[in-house]
Amino acid sequence: DTEVTQTPKHLVMGMTNKKSLKCEQHMGHRAMYWYKQKAKKPPELMFVYSYEKLSINESVPSRFSPECPNSSLLNLHLHALQPEDSALYLCASSQGYSKTGELFFGEGSRLTVL
Amino acid sequence: GEDVEQSLFLSVREGDSSVINCTYTDSSSTYLYWYKQEPGAGLQLLTYIFSNMDMKQDQRLTVLLNKKDKHLSLRIADTQTGDSAIYFCASSRGNNRKLIWGLGTSLAVNP
Repeated sequence: DTEVTQTPKHLVMGMTNKKSLKCEQHMGHRAMYWYKQKAKKPPELMFVYSYEKLSINESVPSRFSPECPNSSLLNLHLHALQPEDSALYLCASSQGYSKTGELFFGEGSRLTVL
Repeated sequence: GEDVEQSLFLSVREGDSSVINCTYTDSSSTYLYWYKQEPGAGLQLLTYIFSNMDMKQDQRLTVLLNKKDKHLSLRIADTQTGDSAIYFCASSRGNNRKLIWGLGTSLAVNP
């Protein structure tokens, strides 16, 4: 099983809503990542978890809150987002944080903030 | 600072070879990667090369690295319509270091 599964695929939310994005991998990978990607742009790193601990927060606004309940799951909790937060949110995993370039990506959750 | 540059567009005929080019500025880059992103999908790691290598071949893909010029290329032989995608070049200084991404090259394959 070499998949990273993300749900939901599409999400529309208002600026006052609270929602969550979910990501799951069963490859035994110990590092998991959240990236944000705007149209026609490269992905931007948001957060890195290594062995279920938050290793990197790329100065992401607090309206984005990551959570890693166990080594297979990664969540991104969303609250009070702005329209400019509309983007494709990609989850990725790697064998460990020593393999930061060898990423397995999910298909992404496309978020629209109204 | 660290920067990775790519041309934005490439158009080829089906069956021809495609060559996608990338330049990077960080001479400390130790790993260089090629990712593919099809429309509406996530990114897929195609291949990567370590900085002490000049070339790597994997089926239809050939990666060439010129460390002196900090130039990386991805050649796709016998390009097919299924190769139409955005190709991202990325570099890193090594383990535990985040990727520096290029803006991506949009490859269009015409029948």
